[in-house]
Amino acid sequence: AQTVTQSQPEMSVQEAETVTLSCTYDTSESDYYLFWYKQPPSRQMILVIRQEAYKQQNATENRFSVNFQKAAKSFSLKISDSQLGDAAMYFCAYKITGTYKYIFGTGTRLKVLA
Amino acid sequence: EAQVTQNPRYLITVTGKKLTVTCSQNMNHEYMSWYRQDPGLGLRQIYYSMNVEVTDKGDVPEGYKVSRKEKRNFPLILESPSPNQTSLYFCASSFKGAGGLGDTQYFGPGTRLTVL
Repeated sequence: AQTVTQSQPEMSVQEAETVTLSCTYDTSESDYYLFWYKQPPSRQMILVIRQEAYKQQNATENRFSVNFQKAAKSFSLKISDSQLGDAAMYFCAYKITGTYKYIFGTGTRLKVLA
Repeated sequence: EAQVTQNPRYLITVTGKKLTVTCSQNMNHEYMSWYRQDPGLGLRQIYYSMNVEVTDKGDVPEGYKVSRKEKRNFPLILESPSPNQTSLYFCASSFKGAGGLGDTQYFGPGTRLTVL
């Protein structure tokens, strides 16, 4: 069965510092998508970054980047120059190409300290 | 503005009283899905729809029904709600297609449901 594991329920980072959130997944598939979503206190789910498994290049979006290690089934999110507005719950998610089944991790709550 | 809307945003009800949570998207997306979010469990997929009149069960479908009679709408129906269905519910949509942002879900604002 496909699973997504976020082993850090909560993390803290000092403003302007860098933090990495971990995510591992279990699958026997070779073609899939991985996502990081941010959920601020407003509860809105906001896409942070998206990675296609067949692409070796790690996705980046401004201060957000991923370290995608396909063989290790790892998909960590790095946030550089952390800002107070980055404080939120972050969810890692996985989807097999050609299906409509999404698997989410249990989330990591990120606190940003001023 | 491209968006997914849900109504109501908050609902308190009693056990056994049928309710419907509506979901609508204006992006002409083929795919729509319902999730529930519970503390410590993340988001779990309830039902999804690949297109009009095509639906399938997710991981936690018990106690829920859905229908997809129009492309833009995907209501979630609780025929006889129970307290264990107290949760935060999200509707999401995406278009089919490889490349670009295909398969990326866009979420509604959420519906906080309390069943007493």
